[in-house]
Amino acid sequence: DTEVTQTPKHLVMGMTNKKSLKCEQHMGHRAMYWYKQKAKKPPELMFVYSYEKLSINESVPSRFSPECPNSSLLNLHLHALQPEDSALYLCASSQDLGGLGSPLHFGNGTRLTVT
Amino acid sequence: AQSVAQPEDQVNVAEGNPLTVKCTYSVSGNPYLFWYVQYPNRGLQFLLKYITGDNLVKGSYGFEAEFNKSQTSFHLKKPSALVSDSALYFCAVKTAVGAGSYQLTFGKGTKLSVIP
Repeated sequence: DTEVTQTPKHLVMGMTNKKSLKCEQHMGHRAMYWYKQKAKKPPELMFVYSYEKLSINESVPSRFSPECPNSSLLNLHLHALQPEDSALYLCASSQDLGGLGSPLHFGNGTRLTVT
Repeated sequence: AQSVAQPEDQVNVAEGNPLTVKCTYSVSGNPYLFWYVQYPNRGLQFLLKYITGDNLVKGSYGFEAEFNKSQTSFHLKKPSALVSDSALYFCAVKTAVGAGSYQLTFGKGTKLSVIP
């Protein structure tokens, strides 16, 4: 079992829907991440939050909107997605006070299908 | 740019035999290298990391990795493969992208199949 919890596990949404992905960790980590992973491909970084502030946005389209309400929670708000956005969305956290040596801890992901 | 490469898309090994999954890196300065495993429909699980010190790093589930600076390699190894080791393996490098901000960049992944 992972210490990073993602909900829902599966999500099917139409292109006009608005939905949110949720991520929660209680390890006291101060850095949280969103990655997108297509089948049989490596995860691709989308966003990084450090101390609840957005520090990296990897040129992600505005139809993806991240939010970090507090140090334990990370949301990804979805609106007007395209079928090519269908993927596994992974949340991760790390104790980046440890710097480059701290591993990322991943959740099991949300499998998103856009119809 | 900092990167890692995994030259093999797939590795097949018989159960009980030693396994090696290859990774090479291209990093300026000291490399911070990681191995992760991903089982079907699951997230990534951390196996081990190299920061500094001993070139042989031991990790979870009996895996180890050998850091070789002259060959810029960080190969994952296990003395005796299990069928349950069959999964997708990712090598990764962690880099600083700003004050207090870091990111993990992955290789393309290697699918390991352990044959009974």
